[in-house]
Amino acid sequence: QKEVEQDPGPLSVPEGAIVSLNCTYSNSAFQYFMWYRQYSRKGPELLMYTYSSGNKEDGRFTAQVDKSSKYISLFIRDSQPSDSATYLCAFATSGTYKYIFGTGTRLKVLA
Amino acid sequence: NAGVTQTPKFQVLKTGQSMTLQCAQDMNHEYMSWYRQDPGMGLRLIHYSVGAGITDQGEVPNGYNVSRSTTEDFPLRLLSAAPSQTSVYFCASSTGRGVPEQFFGPGTRLTVL
Repeated sequence: QKEVEQDPGPLSVPEGAIVSLNCTYSNSAFQYFMWYRQYSRKGPELLMYTYSSGNKEDGRFTAQVDKSSKYISLFIRDSQPSDSATYLCAFATSGTYKYIFGTGTRLKVLA
Repeated sequence: NAGVTQTPKFQVLKTGQSMTLQCAQDMNHEYMSWYRQDPGMGLRLIHYSVGAGITDQGEVPNGYNVSRSTTEDFPLRLLSAAPSQTSVYFCASSTGRGVPEQFFGPGTRLTVL
């Protein structure tokens, strides 16, 4: 079993739709749960992160962590064409510098 | 601040050639790392450093060397390039404390023929 699983997509949605992106993981020691956004031919940039568990909201974006199911989600409300990018989940344990990334989900929001 | 810079942006090598990918950051970050990104494989950690003089292996270190003589620079050396090393290489840096944000460079696209 892979340590992190993420559906690669592509996922195409109309503008204004609610988008749900998900990852599953197997390492119960993970404490940091992150979402990075990567535009085409650019480096990834941190979008949101959660420490330990629970939900976090930032504008149109909501990150959820379900540690019992080893499942994390990123929701995008009122999606915009500018949200078209690849979204990578990432994980880390406390006190280490080894981040584990998912393969990324390619999202296209159609105007 | 320039952030994280990488040179070159593009490179074509022949099998067996060696080269160094440069990475520099001006944010005084302790932690720096190198990743390669391949289709369907995501970002995989090659080597990382937690400070000047300290480096360690990541998930896919074979065929690569690193050193960290200054806080700012973290070059990645390909000893004898192979077609399997064709990839996009990203350098990243972070404070290593608090918010787990890594700042990524723009990447180097490497093709090995």
